[in-house]
Amino acid sequence: GQNIDQPTEMTATEGAIVQINCTYQTSGFNGLFWYQQHAGEAPTFLSYNVLDGLEEKGRFSSFLSRSKGYSYLLLKELQMKDSASYLCAVMDSNYQLIWGAGTKLIIKP
Amino acid sequence: GAVVSQHPSWVICKSGTSVKIECRSLDFQATTMFWYRQFPKQSLMLMATSNEGSKATYEQGVEKDKFLINHASLTLSTLTVTSAHPEDSSFYICSARGRNENNEQFFGPGTRLTVL
Repeated sequence: GQNIDQPTEMTATEGAIVQINCTYQTSGFNGLFWYQQHAGEAPTFLSYNVLDGLEEKGRFSSFLSRSKGYSYLLLKELQMKDSASYLCAVMDSNYQLIWGAGTKLIIKP
Repeated sequence: GAVVSQHPSWVICKSGTSVKIECRSLDFQATTMFWYRQFPKQSLMLMATSNEGSKATYEQGVEKDKFLINHASLTLSTLTVTSAHPEDSSFYICSARGRNENNEQFFGPGTRLTVL
């Protein structure tokens, strides 16, 4: 079966750095996405990785290792507004997105 | 950037009535549209995938006759929840994908449905 695993909840301090991990097992791979979702709102796109390595975009970076079925989202200089759920999703061989359950990130002052 | 709108943003209806939700891609042609449902504190659950001009492909466990999907044009898809019941109360989100190299899906803002 297809499976995406990510921690249920994480807590970090304002100004610090946090890494959210995602491991996956899917039938085929056409890229991995990270989305941010605030409570009561739709997800918003953060990053897309299809090749191994690190993609940096401002305070957010995303890493992918296809051989290990592993990705992480790195958030630097955390701000209170970063409190949200972070969803990892993998596009399988049929170009369907397989979603993780999301990681709820709590930022404390 | 690509914008997807949904209407209505929220709706309250009586049990047994039907509710139609519209999803529009405003500045791009959506070759594929996806409908998701999200219950509180749970992840997105894909309900169906629709390609313009063809019948929607429903996920296992999603009733085709209850959740009617129409993707009549490259910018509009509709989801009709027929004979809604309280257990259908949820957050319904559509997303659209055009011909972009990243296969990115652009999400609408969601529709919160409450069935009394």
